[in-house]
Amino acid sequence: NAGVTQTPKFRILKIGQSMTLQCTQDMNHNYMYWYRQDPGMGLKLIYYSVGAGITDKGEVPNGYNVSRSTTEDFPLRLELAAPSQTSVYFCASTQLTGYHEQYFGPGTRLTVT
Amino acid sequence: EDQVTQSPEALRLQEGESSSLNCSYTVSGLRGLFWYRQDPGKGPEFLFTLYSAGEEKEKERLKATLTKKESFLHITAPKPEDSATYLCAVQARNRGSTLGRLYFGRGTQLTVWP
Repeated sequence: NAGVTQTPKFRILKIGQSMTLQCTQDMNHNYMYWYRQDPGMGLKLIYYSVGAGITDKGEVPNGYNVSRSTTEDFPLRLELAAPSQTSVYFCASTQLTGYHEQYFGPGTRLTVT
Repeated sequence: EDQVTQSPEALRLQEGESSSLNCSYTVSGLRGLFWYRQDPGKGPEFLFTLYSAGEEKEKERLKATLTKKESFLHITAPKPEDSATYLCAVQARNRGSTLGRLYFGRGTQLTVWP
């Protein structure tokens, strides 16, 4: 099992550009999450999904969108990138009930200039 | 409002010098408390889950304990390879939801020097 994989590992965007961060898991987990981690801060939840076709907002959803067409994939879309979106983004997944440990991907480091 | 507070922010230990990291939390109805290890440039790696006060779990040189208001991560005779940031997260009993979202602390950066 590869676990949770994310692409790309690094990306530099110009203000106003858009991009999609990819996340795939091969553990057949229903629950998937997107977090952002800023220096010296705890991870903040952006969006989550409890299954294919079902998504909802977390703590900091503004400027982002998600979709979940399959169990395996949970892409995060950034529209009109802003410097405030410079961060490290982590995707995570967990088992059916959601009340278990979450497994994280290696992260995508995004810089918006 | 912070629901999870970790202390200290940073800790430097000499190899073999035991110590403890603290995670205090305020959440209505704790479902679980999680400890993660994060190495630079990598995603958090799961260590432990604790569900009820009095519970303890061990893994090599690490031991996690839980009370009604805080958790400790005890590190016994640490080695340089234990250097990492240790994250604490809590999961609350959601009303009408099975999301199980995690609230993370800011972490404790541990450095163990030879």
